[in-house]
Amino acid sequence: GAVVSQHPSRVICKSGTSVKIECRSLDFQATTMFWYRQFPKQSLMLMATSNEGSKATYEQGVEKDKFLINHASLTLSTLTVTSAHPEDSSFYICSARDSWQGHGYTFGSGTRLTVV
Amino acid sequence: GESVGLHLPTLSVQEGDNSIINCAYSNSASDYFIWYKQESGKGPQFIIDIRSNMDKRQGQRVTVLLNKTVKHLSLQIAATQPGDSAVYFCAENLNAGGTSYGKLTFGQGTILTVHP
Repeated sequence: GAVVSQHPSRVICKSGTSVKIECRSLDFQATTMFWYRQFPKQSLMLMATSNEGSKATYEQGVEKDKFLINHASLTLSTLTVTSAHPEDSSFYICSARDSWQGHGYTFGSGTRLTVV
Repeated sequence: GESVGLHLPTLSVQEGDNSIINCAYSNSASDYFIWYKQESGKGPQFIIDIRSNMDKRQGQRVTVLLNKTVKHLSLQIAATQPGDSAVYFCAENLNAGGTSYGKLTFGQGTILTVHP
């Protein structure tokens, strides 16, 4: 079945630095990927929709200059958290849309970001 | 819109019991619904899905019921096992006809704990 690989699984960074998270579709091409953020004991909140070869579409309230998304190929989307602050600490999850799969979405295993 | 939960509701059951997890969705125009299981520190795992032209769908040990009149979904797990302990989310999708999938919006989620 469809597999989405997300890397790194955990990262700790200092305030003010930037962190890049990668999301790869391993056995299918994903023209569209989605980035979610999840705080402890809460639901997944959609941050943005990443489209291959074009600009990402951000949800209301998500700062596009802070959360940079690049979808340069059909198998890779990256999320860069710029100038990270402790309040950006969260669980970030990507998903890829695979139209060949019956249910259309496959999720990565998530990235636990801790900003100190 | 997206769900923002402060604390997830919980459901505790004994091993072997049947579990019913409920979800209210937000958009009456959503035409595709998915139930996900999320274990601690991992991404969501697909359980079962249903389209809006159906009221019920069964899988292995799981059944999803859809009531469009009151915008309600339920997930029934038969003979619940300790390995079923996790957080369960419903998700809704607008305009998922054919292979065209839009963004997925997640519900609040329910923590299921199964006691041996």
